[in-house]
Amino acid sequence: EAQVTQNPRYLITVTGKKLTVTCSQNMNHEYMSWYRQDPGLGLRQIYYSMNVEVTDKGDVPEGYKVSRKEKRNFPLILESPSPNQTSLYFCASSTGLGPYNEQFFGPGTRLTVL
Amino acid sequence: KNEVEQSPQNLTAQEGEFITINCSYSVGISALHWLQQHPGGGIVSLFMLSSGKKKHGRLIATINIQEKHSSLHITASHPRDSAVYICAVCPGGTSYGKLTFGQGTILTVHP
Repeated sequence: EAQVTQNPRYLITVTGKKLTVTCSQNMNHEYMSWYRQDPGLGLRQIYYSMNVEVTDKGDVPEGYKVSRKEKRNFPLILESPSPNQTSLYFCASSTGLGPYNEQFFGPGTRLTVL
Repeated sequence: KNEVEQSPQNLTAQEGEFITINCSYSVGISALHWLQQHPGGGIVSLFMLSSGKKKHGRLIATINIQEKHSSLHITASHPRDSAVYICAVCPGGTSYGKLTFGQGTILTVHP
């Protein structure tokens, strides 16, 4: 089944404790992206990747890191999480070198930073 | 002012009604997406448009590039259409990989 998976789905952590949210897709998609969704602010793009080893900042990259060493994986790293990073996070992928085709979204990761 | 504005923010309809959700944007774009977020939180892609009109079942999406405006229409609405509908634009140019979202329209369809 074609899908985007995220792990973990739920996470409660404390300020400053490094964490990684994994994202994996099995559709051989070139483009992958991370978003956060907050009440009243909607979805906002954190980072995106056009292909392996090619990443770039979205609108809200501060406090996040990403890497794209393999085509299928695009982990989101929070080196020192803070309470303002409490949010619902979505990973998405699409074929082609940009978000110009159908976007496939992961199920979301609900992160709480205490 | 947000780059992408949706209206209305909330919409309540009776089953069977024709529904229109609007999306206006202020930047030049290469493409526009309509997404649906289910009450459980999952997001699915409905349409990707760069010009003209697309139809899928009871859903129709149109875009007018010159007027920087897109609409999503639902014909013969049903309670299962209740969801949040989100417009997203791809600015293109030097922002080739970016995606900017509207705030979403919460649709509730009553039986």
